[in-house]
Amino acid sequence: QQPVQSPQAVILREGEDAVINCSSSKALYSVHWYRQKHGEAPVFLMILLKGGEQKGHDKISASFNEKKQQSSLYLTASQLSYSGTYFCGTEIRGYSTLTFGKGTMLLVSP
Amino acid sequence: DVKVTQSSRYLVKRTGEKVFLECVQDMDHENMFWYRQDPGLGLRLIYFSYDVKMKEKGDIPEGYSVSREKKERFSLILESASTNQTSMYLCASSLAELTSNRYEQYFGPGTRLTVT
Repeated sequence: QQPVQSPQAVILREGEDAVINCSSSKALYSVHWYRQKHGEAPVFLMILLKGGEQKGHDKISASFNEKKQQSSLYLTASQLSYSGTYFCGTEIRGYSTLTFGKGTMLLVSP
Repeated sequence: DVKVTQSSRYLVKRTGEKVFLECVQDMDHENMFWYRQDPGLGLRLIYFSYDVKMKEKGDIPEGYSVSREKKERFSLILESASTNQTSMYLCASSLAELTSNRYEQYFGPGTRLTVT
């Protein structure tokens, strides 16, 4: 089942903060976050694993609430380069494939 | 750097044609994936492979098949292309671990397929 991302789109000015949420109706083993710029391939940002382990990006942080079956991506002091579409991918059991959300479009303006 | 390449960036085919989309990765990854991406729908998994000659259906396998004869190459086949298969197709690869999905996926640049 596809996870639900919110908001669908957000417009920021440079330096502002944003939070993107990803919710699942099923228990999660891991959550992956990717960013896709227009015309480019999705690029890995972060993995959050059940039990609290994280792998990823120095300048972007995320949380994973296993009980609530949701994850949030925090973009602080946004830069123009943060613009793009953000996807979460969820794993609902051990070693299963990812199911991606529909994406959140983020536009950072000067 | 991991590199995932796809045979074409743009492809135009006619309805009923057999279409081959090729994907090659150069990092000895066990897992390879084919997704399609449509506006407002996100990335949807068509097929994946966790080893040579092994394949598993994803969420939307109907109308597609795959082939993995060598570890580095994963092909997506549209047996008889239809207009509703017009889409962006993305290939990805990753390392594998038996107990969890702890490795990131590396995506290719995509093939925009138009079926007329």
